[in-house]
Amino acid sequence: NAGVTQTPKFQVLKTGQSMTLQCAQDMNHEYMSWYRQDPGMGLRLIHYSVGAGITDQGEVPNGYNVSRSTTEDFPLRLLSAAPSQTSVYFCASKGDRGHYEQYFGPGTRLTVT
Amino acid sequence: GDSVTQMEGPVTLSEEAFLTINCTYTATGYPSLFWYVQYPGEGLQLLLKATKADDKGSNKGFEATYRKETTSFHLEKGSVQVSDSAVYFCALSPFFSNDYKLSFGAGTTVTVRA
Repeated sequence: NAGVTQTPKFQVLKTGQSMTLQCAQDMNHEYMSWYRQDPGMGLRLIHYSVGAGITDQGEVPNGYNVSRSTTEDFPLRLLSAAPSQTSVYFCASKGDRGHYEQYFGPGTRLTVT
Repeated sequence: GDSVTQMEGPVTLSEEAFLTINCTYTATGYPSLFWYVQYPGEGLQLLLKATKADDKGSNKGFEATYRKETTSFHLEKGSVQVSDSAVYFCALSPFFSNDYKLSFGAGTTVTVRA
């Protein structure tokens, strides 16, 4: 049982490049989400999904796309990277009602130059 | 909207000292309240939680009590160890969200010296 996995661990992009951050979980959780962590700002919700085929925007969705074709995977796409997207990105998953804990992946550190 | 304000750090303590990290929140109704911990180089882990007023969450010697009257959820530990060095985040989830959406505080970095 690997929990929540994220790839890559580190990534450097040039402004305007695109990339996909991968997230997978093996706990059969319905709910998955993406957060970004910036100094002094805690974690902010980017996008979330309450099940396969269902996604919605969080607090800071601009510049990011998501899709959820399977229960296990929830990739985050940056269409045209900007320096303001330099951050640490965390994926999380949670079980159904009554399961309150969110499980976080180890994070992806992204630098956009 | 819902928000969390927590004590700014960094906090540096000696081993066996008492630790308090203040957390206050703004929310409608009765949110669920959480403390998450992030050890160096790792993702966040749930430390403790409380889902209704006067609930006390506890884990690994840490405690926090849900105080509706003061909208607070302060984290305390009576005797810290070097292994408690981490970043601590207070978070809330709105009552209607089924704990899906978390709003985090800025985080407090705690360093415990031997």
